[in-house]
Amino acid sequence: NAGVTQTPKFRVLKTGQSMTLLCAQDMNHEYMYWYRQDPGMGLRLIHYSVGEGTTAKGEVPDGYNVSRLKKQNFLLGLESAAPSQTSVYFCASRRDSSPYNEQFFGPGTRLTVL
Amino acid sequence: RKEVEQDPGPFNVPEGATVAFNCTYSNSASQSFFWYRQDCRKEPKLLMSVYSSGNEDGRFTAQLNRASQYISLLIRDSKLSDSATYLCVVPSTGNQFYFGTGTSLTVIP
Repeated sequence: NAGVTQTPKFRVLKTGQSMTLLCAQDMNHEYMYWYRQDPGMGLRLIHYSVGEGTTAKGEVPDGYNVSRLKKQNFLLGLESAAPSQTSVYFCASRRDSSPYNEQFFGPGTRLTVL
Repeated sequence: RKEVEQDPGPFNVPEGATVAFNCTYSNSASQSFFWYRQDCRKEPKLLMSVYSSGNEDGRFTAQLNRASQYISLLIRDSKLSDSATYLCVVPSTGNQFYFGTGTSLTVIP
């Protein structure tokens, strides 16, 4: 049981390049989330999904797109990377909407945009 | 007012000390609360959940004060391995979670 996995672990992009971050979970969780974490800012929600085929915007969605074609996968895309998107990206999953269910996090992707 | 606020610290305490962190939240309807631990350059990991007045797990105690809308985390007999950032997390009434910016703890030999 791998839990939540993320690929890649590290990536360096040039401004204007595109990439996709992959998050996978094997816990059959309904909910999945993408966060970014910057120094002094805490975790900020980018997009989330409450089930296969659904997505919704979080606090900082601009410059990102997401897709949830399969229940176990949640993809985060950067169409045209900018230096402001340099950050650590965490994916998380959660069983369902119960407020008593915690989130499980992946190991993170460290992205640098030059 | 932010949804969740924490004292960022840093807290520097000697081994064996007792240390407490507070976290305030704005949504009085919140039903559950979580403390996560995050080591440097690692993902957050669940430390404790708090649903009623409090929860205890070994050296760790979390307490909830609904009237004043804060939760606290008490660590007794601090170990070097307790050095980390502690995140206060409160689920929203929707599908999201609100995270505090974290409290940094360093336990000194």
